[in-house]
Parts: sequence; structure tokens; C-alpha cells
Amino acid sequence: DARVTQTPRDKVTEMGQEVTMRCQPILGHNTVFWYRQTMMQGLELLAYFRNRAPLDDSGMPKDRFSAEMPDATLATLKIQPSEPRDSAVYFCASGASGAGGKKFFGPGTRLTVL
Amino acid sequence: RKEVEQDPGPFNVPEGATVAFNCTYSNSASQSFFWYRQDCRKEPKLLMSVYSSGNEDGRFTAQLNRASQYISLLIRDSKLSDSATYLCVPPASGSARQLTFGSGTQLTVLP
Repeated sequence: DARVTQTPRDKVTEMGQEVTMRCQPILGHNTVFWYRQTMMQGLELLAYFRNRAPLDDSGMPKDRFSAEMPDATLATLKIQPSEPRDSAVYFCASGASGAGGKKFFGPGTRLTVL
Repeated sequence: RKEVEQDPGPFNVPEGATVAFNCTYSNSASQSFFWYRQDCRKEPKLLMSVYSSGNEDGRFTAQLNRASQYISLLIRDSKLSDSATYLCVPPASGSARQLTFGSGTQLTVLP
């Protein structure tokens, strides 16, 4: 049963520290999404890749966030420096371009910035 | 007007009841839309994908009302296991590429 995997599952860090979250999309999926979920804002799109190329990162604070796909099996989301307001659950999702808008989500990384 | 709007609920219904949620959206020429369910502290999971004006899958019926710009999800004979948050991804056009989720409607089915 193919799944999106994310690491770490939980991360507690102090303000100012760098945080790196990793995602392994489902093999064969060529679209990757990063979403952030909070109680107040719901699911917000941060970045979107197709064939490893960033297509939309307009939802991401550029000064501290960066998203990359070093290869087809790994997507990373980095926050540097982290702030308490970054505390949220970060979900990675992947999809196949021929499957319309279907997305398969990973279990998420629960980030707490103290 | 927000791109996507959902009634957050909560909807508390007894087992066996029929419940419906709506999700309104901005203009779109597309007809495809999706409903996801999200259990507490879990990731969203695809519930229904619809590539026309509607679809029925067992107890679940999803419909698109293009004139009034909303999609709906109807659950018949609700079960305790249906308790979750339901997120919509309405029709989208252009560069939006169906990236935007509704904020979710919370459903609790009571015994």
C-alpha cells in the first residue's frame, strides 16, 4: 500500500532554530504539495512542485521558508529562523498529474516552536 | 468573497440521520471537485472525487450546483465512524489547479 511518508512526525524546537521537514512522495507521483494546518487558518498551501520544479510558492513566507525537491523521491521544507507563529502541522501530499486534483497526504509533521 | 467557504459546524446528528454539507466557491468553468475527510490528529484522506455534476458512492452523494456555485456532500444513514471533519476542494480554473481546501465542517454522529 503506497503511502507518502514524512519525517519527523513531531518536532519541538526553540525560536530561532532551523527546522527541516522531509517528505517522500508516492513512487510515480510527479506533483508534490506542502500544506500547513492550524486551527485558525485551516489547510493553507505553501508550495507546489511538478516534476521537481516549483510551480507555486506564493503561500510561503519567502524570508524564512524554503522548499526544494533535490530528487524525485525527496521534498524538503525548511524554516530558518523558526518563530512561535510557525507552530502548526505541516502536511506533504503527492499526486499523479493524470489523476486530476487527487492528493494523497502524508501523516504530517507537528511542529511546536517555543 | 473568499475563494472557498464552508460552514464549520459542528454538526451533531444521531446515528441513522441524514446530513448534508455545502461548500461555496468562486467562479469556475471546471466540473471536477473533491471531498476529503480528516479524523482528529490525522491527515486528510480522499473521500470522493467527482468529474461531473455529481456522484453517488454507497451512503455518500456529492453534487455540484453550478448556478449557485456550491458543492454538497450528503451522508445517509450516518454511522458513528462518519464522525470527522469534511473538507471540500471545489471546482477551480486556471492556475488554481484545485489547490485550495475549504476550512472543513466538523461532524459528530451520536449514539
